[in-house]
Amino acid sequence: KQEVTQIPAALSVPEGENLVLNCSFTDSAIYNLQWFRQDPGKGLTSLLLIQSSQREQTSGRLNASLDKSSGRSTLYIAASQPGDSATYLCGSNSGSRLTFGEGTQLTVNP
Amino acid sequence: AAGVIQSPRHLIKEKRETATLKCYPIPRHDTVYWYQQGPGQDPQFLISFYEKMQSDKGSIPDRFSAQQFSDYHSELNMSSLELGDSALYFCASSYVRPGKGDEQFFGPGTRLTVL
Repeated sequence: KQEVTQIPAALSVPEGENLVLNCSFTDSAIYNLQWFRQDPGKGLTSLLLIQSSQREQTSGRLNASLDKSSGRSTLYIAASQPGDSATYLCGSNSGSRLTFGEGTQLTVNP
Repeated sequence: AAGVIQSPRHLIKEKRETATLKCYPIPRHDTVYWYQQGPGQDPQFLISFYEKMQSDKGSIPDRFSAQQFSDYHSELNMSSLELGDSALYFCASSYVRPGKGDEQFFGPGTRLTVL
């Protein structure tokens, strides 16, 4: 059974800092991995999708990496802004379902 | 761009009542997934349908059932509601290529409160 862990559980940074969120998973037989953003009480917004054959994906200030062999993914956020404050979830896709970590709650202080 | 539509957005029910949640996937998406997110928890997979057939089943209680219709919309039926069923219920959709997972797009969720 896939287990996904995210570290840290919470992170508070001043505006403008670069930061890294970590995601680890126990079963490397994944099709892809998605990073999501969730605002309080809201839905999940897909940020980046990395296929199992890829090592990296970039979208604007976001960069996600994937190392299947070690069961790890990172989400790098450059030049953080207060609007980036949210919970970030990673989900590993085994082909028919996403298994999520518990998320990292990010606060970017002005 | 069209997104996943869920209705209703909010639902309040009493214990032992029934509830029906609806999901309309993004046009041309053939797969629908249901997830349950309890307060302060991560989303948990319930069930999925590909081309109107159940494709995977997770931690869905026997009191719950779901189906996908010919127009690809899906309904989650919940009976004998319990207090612990209070949660955000998300529907997601994707276009799945055989043998590959694909990007899942989530709806805004239905917040179910059981009193």
